[in-house]
Amino acid sequence: DQQVKQNSPSLSVQEGRISILNCDYTNSMFDYFLWYKKYPAEGPTFLISISSIKDKNEDGRFTVFLNKSAKHLSLHIVPSQPGDSAVYFCAASGMEYGNKLVFGAGTILRVKS
Amino acid sequence: DAMVIQNPRYQVTQFGKPVTLSCSQTLNHNVMYWYQQKSSQAPKLLFHYYDKDFNNEADTPDNFQSRRPNTSFCFLDIRSPGLGDAAMYLCATSRTLAAYQETQYFGPGTRLLVL
Repeated sequence: DQQVKQNSPSLSVQEGRISILNCDYTNSMFDYFLWYKKYPAEGPTFLISISSIKDKNEDGRFTVFLNKSAKHLSLHIVPSQPGDSAVYFCAASGMEYGNKLVFGAGTILRVKS
Repeated sequence: DAMVIQNPRYQVTQFGKPVTLSCSQTLNHNVMYWYQQKSSQAPKLLFHYYDKDFNNEADTPDNFQSRRPNTSFCFLDIRSPGLGDAAMYLCATSRTLAAYQETQYFGPGTRLLVL
């Protein structure tokens, strides 16, 4: 009963190209979504978030898109850099969950130079 | 300038032998969380403390307990580890519980191996 799903375990992209990481959720009560990035031997760090009242949030090379009707969000990284190689976790939250985070299983991004 | 510190980074224990994992923070945050992450799975919240108020997730096994003696430290106690408890254990902190206002800061995790 995974409520947050990242169906692609891994993604490989050439440096300079766009990376698109996808995330699906099942519970329409989620109203806040986040992406965390994790390097080996380090804890996850917050990257970018989006509220359900928006459909896009941009921060430099990182943009998150939210499609509420499809219960889908995506993280775009443009242009991708080798330093972006990491595990990316999608997470969702909402009042029903006491504002705690429900995570997806993560997607490993490899950016090749 | 480490903010959330977890010790040890690797812990090996024997089946059924109690083990304690440690987390400390220098952020003075009110909330401390413990997550369990098994291989290729999502981090799963076990419980959290809001100050001294303990909140257990409904599906967290009784085998898992936690202590928070002060603001800075939080411990995860596994009373009788089973092979299925082998995982990465992540500690996180935040100022409040509101995800839309407060980022969670994670430690590097402790990888637990049960023999």
